[in-house]
Amino acid sequence: SSELTQDPAVSVALGQTVRITCQGDSLGSYYANWYQQKPGQAPVLVIYAKNNRPSGIPDRFSGSSSGNTASLTISGAQAEDEADYYCNSRDSSGNHLVFGGGTKLTVL
Amino acid sequence: EVQLVESGGGLVQPGRSLRLSCTASGFTFGDYAMSWFRQAPGKGLEWVGFIRSKAHGGTTEYAASVKGRFTISSDDSKTIAYLQMNSLKTEDTAVYFCSREKYSGTYLFDYWGQGTQVTVSS
Repeated sequence: SSELTQDPAVSVALGQTVRITCQGDSLGSYYANWYQQKPGQAPVLVIYAKNNRPSGIPDRFSGSSSGNTASLTISGAQAEDEADYYCNSRDSSGNHLVFGGGTKLTVL
Repeated sequence: EVQLVESGGGLVQPGRSLRLSCTASGFTFGDYAMSWFRQAPGKGLEWVGFIRSKAHGGTTEYAASVKGRFTISSDDSKTIAYLQMNSLKTEDTAVYFCSREKYSGTYLFDYWGQGTQVTVSS
């Protein structure tokens, strides 16, 4: 079982804002990173170290955290944002990695 | 351009072995830790393990689900990371990805391969 907990599915109307959350004890000590994965493709890093975007990621993607919860926010969701989103961090020992179970985002 | 290309996947019987390769290009391979991940059909991402760079000891860490059966190694001269999988089980069936680990305030995976399918079945 995953040590990071995500809602299995979330939906958002086109152009609206959606927040995807990730909860876990280790998030009190380690930053969460967020990955987007579309069917048949490799994951793509969209947010790292709480609220940093790699080059090429649109600024509608942002991250935040509070206590043991990390969040990914998409402001003005687009059709191409429909994907699975995974949070990732270290476990409590710091030596192992953990993923959330993933959130399937549907853009209506 | 950074590229990671996995190879070596295929159909294998339970209890047998398979070695995956991750061939890297476009960066100084020896400066980075390399990780392996997998994704079972219809399931989420699972970390398999990683190997630290030689500068950080070249040591390895593994997920509990594969520890003792899987071994990660790397050849800096060939810029290849390997995943040796022994005593394979049907539950090891998945797409296997390799990724480069980078530190930028946190450990992150900025480049991934396209994945290679491993199917364990009799």
